[in-house]
Amino acid sequence: DAKTTQPNSMESNEEEPVHLPCNHSTISGTDYIHWYRQLPSQGPEYVIHGLTSNVNNRMASLAIAEDRKSSTLILHRATLRDAAVYYCILRGPMFTTSGTYKYIFGTGTRLKVLA
Amino acid sequence: DAGVTQSPTHLIKTRGQQVTLRCSPKSGHDTVSWYQQALGQGPQFIFQYYEEEERQRGNFPDRFSGHQFPNYSSELNVNALLLGDSALYLCASSRSGGGGGYTFGSGTRLTVV
Repeated sequence: DAKTTQPNSMESNEEEPVHLPCNHSTISGTDYIHWYRQLPSQGPEYVIHGLTSNVNNRMASLAIAEDRKSSTLILHRATLRDAAVYYCILRGPMFTTSGTYKYIFGTGTRLKVLA
Repeated sequence: DAGVTQSPTHLIKTRGQQVTLRCSPKSGHDTVSWYQQALGQGPQFIFQYYEEEERQRGNFPDRFSGHQFPNYSSELNVNALLLGDSALYLCASSRSGGGGGYTFGSGTRLTVV
């Protein structure tokens, strides 16, 4: 299983943009890059995912390097509610026999947002 | 629309006992995965069920077993509990072939004493 490397923790001021980096140098051509976040006392929740092109949704943007060996999750204006552990995950190809796949989580980046 | 429902939310067991945790997937989802999350760690994959069969398994001993029912709900069973089994157990559901992500429940906090 391909692995990801993230900083253990980061801090940001409220209302400022946050760039959360992730390295995945062993990524294969069919691995999707997924980001999840886990708020205190909750299960992880989906944030965004992509394969090659940059992606935007209402929660965040995902910038993927041209060689796909790294990516950055961008929160455009951090709020106190964004304080969470952010996980960068590589999702492998779907298994044709079952139509399923699995995620392998790392330790994530704990984001602290300062008021 | 209800998301993933897990029960119970908290549980205390004695070492050597057996425990069963339950999960109801999100409506429209047919695949259930179970994860163990120790304090301060990322979730670790236990196994995944699809069409009532275990399809994928992580590096967990046979003391961890599961089941999926025809309505896609699932159970996680742990036998001969050890102190080290104390953790948050997360259930995640997904739709096979859908290409989308997981929806996680809030977990069951298991404490083994």
